[in-house]
Amino acid sequence: ETGVTQSPTHLIKTRGQQVTLRCSSQSGHNTVSWYQQALGQGPQFIFQYYREEENGRGNFPPRFSGLQFPNYSSELNVNALELDDSALYLCASSYSLFGLASAGELFFGEGSRLTVL
Amino acid sequence: AQRVTQPEKLLSVFKGAPVELKCNYSYSGSPELFWYVQYSRQRLQLLLRHISRESIKGFTADLNKGETSFHLKKPFAQEEDSAMYYCAPSSGSARQLTFGSGTQLTVLP
Repeated sequence: ETGVTQSPTHLIKTRGQQVTLRCSSQSGHNTVSWYQQALGQGPQFIFQYYREEENGRGNFPPRFSGLQFPNYSSELNVNALELDDSALYLCASSYSLFGLASAGELFFGEGSRLTVL
Repeated sequence: AQRVTQPEKLLSVFKGAPVELKCNYSYSGSPELFWYVQYSRQRLQLLLRHISRESIKGFTADLNKGETSFHLKKPFAQEEDSAMYYCAPSSGSARQLTFGSGTQLTVLP
């Protein structure tokens, strides 16, 4: 069984640039959630994807967008990067039945650490 | 607004002593509650959920709806319990988790 994998592990961007982060979900999982974890804080929910559609969104601006592919992998895109976007971005996969997310048991990747200069 | 509070950022106890990590939440409706743990150099993982009422690695957590608390307890702490612990209610259409800011537990020898 393959766990959640994320790439890249680290990256540095400058303000105003765009970034794409990638996530492969755990085998058998069909739902992907993205979280942002700033230094010293707990993870914050960005959005969730199920069947290639957004299935819920946290309090993040539209410049945060995502995609899910038929193989359930996912991308997180952030446009017009700001300094405050510097954080660890976590991807988590889970299994949902008919779009009803299974509560709570998320399987996390190790994260992509983004630094915006 | 939905809120989760873990009042202690850092908590140190000696091996064999009891430990309690506090969590208070402010939520509309009846959220499901979870504790997640991150050991050093490992990824975030589920420790336990209130609905299952089970004990994992000696930890238990009781949901107190009156006090809106979900404290995590273990009667005899072990050094391998040293980790970052997050309380996380789940709610919303995506059953998303709202994480607290975490408590770093250090169990001293």
